[in-house]
Amino acid sequence: GIQVEQSPPDLILQEGANSTLRCNFSDSVNNLQWFHQNPWGQLINLFYIPSGTKQNGRLSATTVATERYSLLYISSSQTTDSGVYFCAVGKGGGSNYKLTFGKGTLLTVNP
Amino acid sequence: DSGVTQTPKHLITATGQRVTLRCSPRSGDLSVYWYQQSLDQGLQFLIQYYNGEERAKGNILERFSAQQFPDLHSELNLSSLELGDSALYFCASNSGGPYNEQFFGPGTRLTVL
Repeated sequence: GIQVEQSPPDLILQEGANSTLRCNFSDSVNNLQWFHQNPWGQLINLFYIPSGTKQNGRLSATTVATERYSLLYISSSQTTDSGVYFCAVGKGGGSNYKLTFGKGTLLTVNP
Repeated sequence: DSGVTQTPKHLITATGQRVTLRCSPRSGDLSVYWYQQSLDQGLQFLIQYYNGEERAKGNILERFSAQQFPDLHSELNLSSLELGDSALYFCASNSGGPYNEQFFGPGTRLTVL
């Protein structure tokens, strides 16, 4: 099956710093989503971005499908940004379809 | 709030028992997906239902089963529970196309003692 690798596995920042999280995938995909899992376990949708660039406030994401990677940018980080960031890619059709998650990047933002 | 609801939030049970997890999709969504998040396996896709019918299967054990009812809510049944089944179980929904964005519920945390 498709492999999804996220880097770095852990990241510690001071409030106000910027960061870039990376997601590499081993094959062409039909969709790609970024999630934030907060300390309470809730998975929050950040971006649905199979290709191109999107921005939402302090967060932005870029997917270069031809080169099989996606980047999540967090600017002016806040303590509430702490948590695990997951990249998930979807591939296949019909009964073969599945959404495959990476192992995540654990982000800690200190005040 | 994603609009996907799951009950119960927490469930504690013993090995060998059977439990049922419930999910209500977002209004208008026809597809429901179940995922398991455990420390050793990460987030894994279990199964998908579309408008009452099974559409896709992932790493779902034979002890687990699911169904989607006419009102589109779904239930995940876990039987003969083992310690290793302790995990966070998520339900997600979307409008039907697998390539469409999936929205996740708050999860059910299952603890098997």
